[in-house]
Amino acid sequence: LAKTTQPISMDSYEGQEVNITCSHNNIATNDYITWYQQFPSQGPRFIIQGYKTKVTNEVASLFIPADRKSSTLSLPRVSLSDTAVYYCLVGFPISSGSARQLTFGSGTQLTVLP
Amino acid sequence: GAGVSQSPSNKVTEKGKDVELRCDPISGHTALYWYRQSLGQGLEFLIYFQGNSAPDKSGLPSDRFSAERTGGSVSTLTIQRTQQEDSAVYLCASSLTGGRLSEQFFGPGTRLTVL
Repeated sequence: LAKTTQPISMDSYEGQEVNITCSHNNIATNDYITWYQQFPSQGPRFIIQGYKTKVTNEVASLFIPADRKSSTLSLPRVSLSDTAVYYCLVGFPISSGSARQLTFGSGTQLTVLP
Repeated sequence: GAGVSQSPSNKVTEKGKDVELRCDPISGHTALYWYRQSLGQGLEFLIYFQGNSAPDKSGLPSDRFSAERTGGSVSTLTIQRTQQEDSAVYLCASSLTGGRLSEQFFGPGTRLTVL
């Protein structure tokens, strides 16, 4: 199973760029890496997904080195509303054959300060 | 509705009682997932349904937990003989497919409190 490790918490100030790294040493060849954001009392929300190198969308970038044993979520110019828990997810379910668990990281509590 | 819905939003029960939690996925989504989130903790995968295939039950913590998905749509998670350690938020998610690129859409969760 792909186990993931993230920092428990991070603080930042408004307008700064924030980078959150997730370690996943046992990632499998077929695994994609997905990041989710969760606000209190809500379910997680998809941010970005990638397999290798760099992916960018309107809210974030995801950097994945060649060995894929880690990934870094980059949030440009954070605001107070970006305060949330960020999870990285490795793996995807297989409908038959050997079962794979979906492994969420423990999550990183990002606090953006004014 | 436009999103994943779950009911009830809150459930308080006594130790030893059975509970049923319901999830209505997004229409057309073939994959459905159940997770558990204890206070201040990350998400713990419980079970996964994909179309008509046998569910992946590899995350269920004990045989007191079971889940069904009727007609490929609504799902019910049942916890028998509830224990205090079952207290948590139970989250349901659905995705268009179960493949590696499938984005999961989460419901608001059901907060279960076992007294």
